[in-house]
Amino acid sequence: DAKTTQPPSMDCAEGRAANLPCNHSTISGNEYVYWYRQIHSQGPQYIIHGLKNNETNEMASLIITEDRKSSTLILPHATLRDTAVYYCIVISLYGGSQGNLIFGKGTKLSVKP
Amino acid sequence: NAGVTQTPKFRVLKTGQSMTLLCAQDMNHEYMYWYRQDPGMGLRLIHYSVGEGTTAKGEVPDGYNVSRLKKQNFLLGLESAAPSQTSVYFCASSGPGQVYNEQFFGPGTRLTVL
Repeated sequence: DAKTTQPPSMDCAEGRAANLPCNHSTISGNEYVYWYRQIHSQGPQYIIHGLKNNETNEMASLIITEDRKSSTLILPHATLRDTAVYYCIVISLYGGSQGNLIFGKGTKLSVKP
Repeated sequence: NAGVTQTPKFRVLKTGQSMTLLCAQDMNHEYMYWYRQDPGMGLRLIHYSVGEGTTAKGEVPDGYNVSRLKKQNFLLGLESAAPSQTSVYFCASSGPGQVYNEQFFGPGTRLTVL
């Protein structure tokens, strides 16, 4: 079972920030939070990951709460091309997991003009 | 670089037929993975490989076999296809070492079993 809980769908106006929440209340100390997205019919695409500090890259920002029980993916200026299903995944990088991703159902983000 | 490529893109099989899906990557990645995605669902891991000559079972391995004879290729076989194996199959690869790196996915193979 996925270790995360995400809303099934969200809408966002084009040009506005999209804030996608994720709950991972059972996360352990050596587990990272990864975000992927899947644009219709394509293979998933890596977005960002973090352990406990906030992270930013050219695609998005990741805000992780101090207790690490939840996080928010922020797309600062959403475009129509950001319409996709966004997956929040908790994964341990050690202990033989070999980086196996466990996908839940994700959040379907619809960016509207 | 082509990244991760999958062959074929589409395939229709009859129940009981066999086929092999080919995944190739040109990034010199150690790890490779096969996932399936059913409508409205997230991806589920079928098998994976941590290096040439090694494979391991994932979450839903039954009915599938895999081989990793060359580092750049990962083959997924269906010996006797069933309608329940109708799905979209994605291959992925990730970098070397013990620490997980981001996975790069192929475009998918859409398989229908009649």
